[in-house]
Amino acid sequence: DADVTQTPRNRITKTGKRIMLECSQTKGHDRMYWYRQDPGLGLRLIYYSFDVKDINKGEISDGYSVSRQAQAKFSLSLESAIPNQTALYFCATSDWRDTQYFGPGTRLTVL
Amino acid sequence: QQQVKQSPQSLIVQKGGISIINCAYENTAFDYFPWYQQFPGKGPALLIAIRPDVSEKKEGRFTISFNKSAKQFSLHIMDSQPGDSATYFCAAEVWQLTFGSGTQLTVLP
Repeated sequence: DADVTQTPRNRITKTGKRIMLECSQTKGHDRMYWYRQDPGLGLRLIYYSFDVKDINKGEISDGYSVSRQAQAKFSLSLESAIPNQTALYFCATSDWRDTQYFGPGTRLTVL
Repeated sequence: QQQVKQSPQSLIVQKGGISIINCAYENTAFDYFPWYQQFPGKGPALLIAIRPDVSEKKEGRFTISFNKSAKQFSLHIMDSQPGDSATYFCAAEVWQLTFGSGTQLTVLP
């Protein structure tokens, strides 16, 4: 969905490196989310933000941090990447408790 | 602890057949049950959703059946088409979405 963009789309990094995944949205939504997708596990919530001043941990926040720079921007950081953080990462947005709109995903490989 | 259990993990159906994917949940506080469809290389997209005050919702060839007492809900795809081949996720929400593990559907031509 072009309304939600994620950069980079693919990233290969080494163990111990710090990396940042970025998400931008043009839908004007207050709520933004970061998910991780692993085969056979579905999507699991890492962090979510209901507005610029609100940050909440999700199911699997350990090893991750986030920054909500503006209503339209929500970044996910891995302070010291490890191989089991290799996964597909999705950003999503929603307006109140409504449909979540997902970005195209970032495929991250940690060697 | 997995709060939303989805089955089967994979499903192969002939064109024109009915695809059925089932989900069960544990948390009775869930009050919104969407299904998302994901094509390879894309993010999930909402397909259809239901709230627990109704037992069925139909949109075109897609139907959700909801059984509140059994804490189960299912997606039925009628007249399945090769273009329906994708991964389907059920989910349940109270304040945030909890997803099932996904079903990879293949519709053979």
